[in-house]
Amino acid sequence: AQTVTQSQPEMSVQEAETVTLSCTYDTSENNYYLFWYKQPPSRQMILVIRQEAYKQQNATENRFSVNFQKAAKSFSLKISDSQLGDTAMYFCASVNSGGSNYKLTFGKGTLLTVNP
Amino acid sequence: NAGVTQTPKFRVLKTGQSMTLLCAQDMNHEYMYWYRQDPGMGLRLIHYSVGEGTTAKGEVPDGYNVSRLKKQNFLLGLESAAPSQTSVYFCASSQGDRAYYGYTFGSGTRLTVV
Repeated sequence: AQTVTQSQPEMSVQEAETVTLSCTYDTSENNYYLFWYKQPPSRQMILVIRQEAYKQQNATENRFSVNFQKAAKSFSLKISDSQLGDTAMYFCASVNSGGSNYKLTFGKGTLLTVNP
Repeated sequence: NAGVTQTPKFRVLKTGQSMTLLCAQDMNHEYMYWYRQDPGMGLRLIHYSVGEGTTAKGEVPDGYNVSRLKKQNFLLGLESAAPSQTSVYFCASSQGDRAYYGYTFGSGTRLTVV
């Protein structure tokens, strides 16, 4: 079974600064996918970034990037130039590839507050 | 381009009452999922379906039943609601290995059981 751990229940950052959210995971599979989802107060689940485990290059999407350390089973999210609209709950998630049900396993979330 | 639609968006139930949450998707996705979100617990999988007519238990299935009679609909039922089922419920769908690009989520149902 997969597990995803987010050890920071809450974080805060000043506008325009950089913040890193931590995530570790555990899986016995060799190939899998990792995700960061954002949930603003609207409650909508928004995919921020994804990483394929067999790709060593870290994924980036504009101000969002990840630090993927496969051996350490670590998948942190870096948000650069933080904006007020980044205030949200952030969930780390994983899915094993090659399975038949494509179930996503989520961490408990990190509430990020961006202060003006 | 509705995607995944959940009804209702909000509901208050009394303990012991029953209700059904409806999830409808218009993307012809095979896979559908019901999650519950509770503070400090993240999203936990209740039940899921890998195709029309199929259902399977997830991580926290007790107290819930599901049905997938039509491919586009996935129903979550509470036969006798309990306060512990107060939560936000999310439905999601995916098309096979397109799940590796993420799910399509509904906007959630906030259920309060008093």
